[in-house]
This record gives sequence, C-alpha cells and structure tokens, in this order.
Amino acid sequence: EAGVAQSPRYKIIEKRQSVAFWCNPISGHATLYWYQQILGQGPKLLIQFQNNGVVDDSQLPKDRFSAERLKGVDSTLKIQPAKLEDSAVYLCASSLDRPRWGLNTEAFFGQGTRLTVV
Amino acid sequence: GNSVTQMEGPVTLSEEAFLTINCTYTATGYPSLFWYVQYPGEGLQLLLKATKADDKGSNKGFEATYRKETTSFHLEKGSVQVSDSAVYFCALSNTDKLIFGTGTRLQVFP
Repeated sequence: EAGVAQSPRYKIIEKRQSVAFWCNPISGHATLYWYQQILGQGPKLLIQFQNNGVVDDSQLPKDRFSAERLKGVDSTLKIQPAKLEDSAVYLCASSLDRPRWGLNTEAFFGQGTRLTVV
Repeated sequence: GNSVTQMEGPVTLSEEAFLTINCTYTATGYPSLFWYVQYPGEGLQLLLKATKADDKGSNKGFEATYRKETTSFHLEKGSVQVSDSAVYFCALSNTDKLIFGTGTRLQVFP
C-alpha cells in the first residue's frame, strides 16, 4: 500500500514570497490533516479535512495560510506571504475515517516538507 | 483543554540499557493514547497505541500502559538498540483531534 506522498521535500524561500505544498493521501482515506512542526516542538494541527470539507482550521493563520482539498483527494497548503517564523516541517497525514469519541483511527504521516524562510 | 506533557530530552543511553520516557496527559472524557516515532529523515510512524484504561500497547519491544489514575502513558523498553535512536512523540486523540507532545529525543550509543 502506498503511503502519504508529499512534495517538495525541501523548500527555501525569502520572506514575503509565497509557497505551496502538495499532499496525496493514502487511497480511500477520507480524513486529511496538515500539521506544522517547528524545530524542537511537537506537531501542531493546522487544518483537518473530512473528504473535501474543513472540520477544523482553528489554528490556521488565515491571513496568510490557505488550504484546499479539491475532490476530496489531494490537498495543497499555501503560505502567502511567508514570514521567518513559518520555517518548519509541514506534515500531511491521512486516516481512513474521522476519529470518533471513544474510538481511534490511526493517522499515517508523510515524510514532510521542510520549509526554510530566509 | 487537552494536552500532552513529555519529559525533555535528549535521553542518552548505552546499548542494552532500560528506557523510560514519561508522558502525562490532560483530557476530558476517555482519549486514546499513542506513541509515534520519528527516525532521522523520515516521517512520523505509529509505534503503539492504547484505547482504554489499563490497556497495554506494545510493538518492537516497546510497551506503554494506559494509566487513568495517574493520567500517564509512559514508554518503556527493556533493552535499547542503537537503531532505536529517534524522536518519540506521545499523543492523544479525543473526539476527532490528534494532539502531540513536544517529543523526546533518544540517543543510544554502542
């Protein structure tokens, strides 16, 4: 079974530029997550999709970050304009279904995109 | 709110030593608990999980027991190997969110 695919693996941009990351989840997985992992910290959820609808984007800085999941499959995360503090690894994950209270659904992670803003 | 607290690293051990990485959580209701591992240059991988109190998750010689009375999910391994060197993340899932701790780096030397 193919895993979660992300591209690019690395990206270096100047501040105020824009950047986009792409994620292809595991086939058939309805739930897709984007996490931001700043060096030395745990992953922080930015946005969660259920199929092509947004479930949670409460921690997404909407003035500069946007994400979409057209057709409920692939997803893109965009930053425009980038700031120095956006330097981080951006992780995409997917799970078969939306976890429900009292149950659990394993999330599978991609290798991430390491963004450096200079 | 929901949160996870892990011991700070790095944890430095010699091969075959006993490992404990502490994890405590705060949550409403009855979360599921996880340990994820991140090897150098790789993505996060699920190491083990437990879905209810007193459950023990185990995988690759690692174990963790869901202790509701102490709100803990400590990771243990009886004899670590150099190949276990990685960053370990404790996480909880409550309703539909997966929340991570800050991670603990383990370094094992021969």
